[in-house]
Amino acid sequence: SAVISQKPSRDICQRGTSLTIQCQVDSQVTMMFWYRQQPGQSLTLIATANQGSEATYESGFVIDKFPISRPNLTFSTLTVSNMSPEDSSIYLCSAHFGTGDTGELFFGEGSRLTVL
Amino acid sequence: AQRVTQPEKLLSVFKGAPVELKCNYSYSGSPELFWYVQYSRQRLQLLLRHISRESIKGFTADLNKGETSFHLKKPFAQEEDSAMYYCALNTGGFKTIFGAGTRLFVKA
Repeated sequence: SAVISQKPSRDICQRGTSLTIQCQVDSQVTMMFWYRQQPGQSLTLIATANQGSEATYESGFVIDKFPISRPNLTFSTLTVSNMSPEDSSIYLCSAHFGTGDTGELFFGEGSRLTVL
Repeated sequence: AQRVTQPEKLLSVFKGAPVELKCNYSYSGSPELFWYVQYSRQRLQLLLRHISRESIKGFTADLNKGETSFHLKKPFAQEEDSAMYYCALNTGGFKTIFGAGTRLFVKA
């Protein structure tokens, strides 16, 4: 198994500001992902954090709004830029471990952002 | 389009009753499906994967390609099964999309 730590666990932010969420994995991993879970909604994939290259964003998400860094195989950050109340969500970091029959996603505990 | 559909937001059953959480998917390739569970105050975690054909905590799920379904079943629900359940689909490159989730509430 793997342990994924996120910080901050929660924050209250003002409209127009930016916040960076950190994700630390306790072992090296190739694939890391960022998800958003809006209130009462399911998880929506924001992007794949690629080590050493630009993140791959899903439809509806752009780098200017959600810049992502992945400096090494155990760490990634997600920044939520120029926040508005609509960005109030839980942001989840995940990492894929294993292959074939044993592959699975592990998740951090999430970062709950409230934008006022 | 790639999509995972869980039609029930909430499912309430009595302890000892059978439970079935429905999941349907839309995917043009060969699907790789999972059930993830989130217990109260815990992080999201894998419950089972179709490729392993395993039974975890008494839960099983069979992939039915004809009906594009991957329903989660347990013959006798327990109170500790109360949680949020998400059906998930690997869309390639280990990218995974999730259904809306079903909250299972098992009453004593």
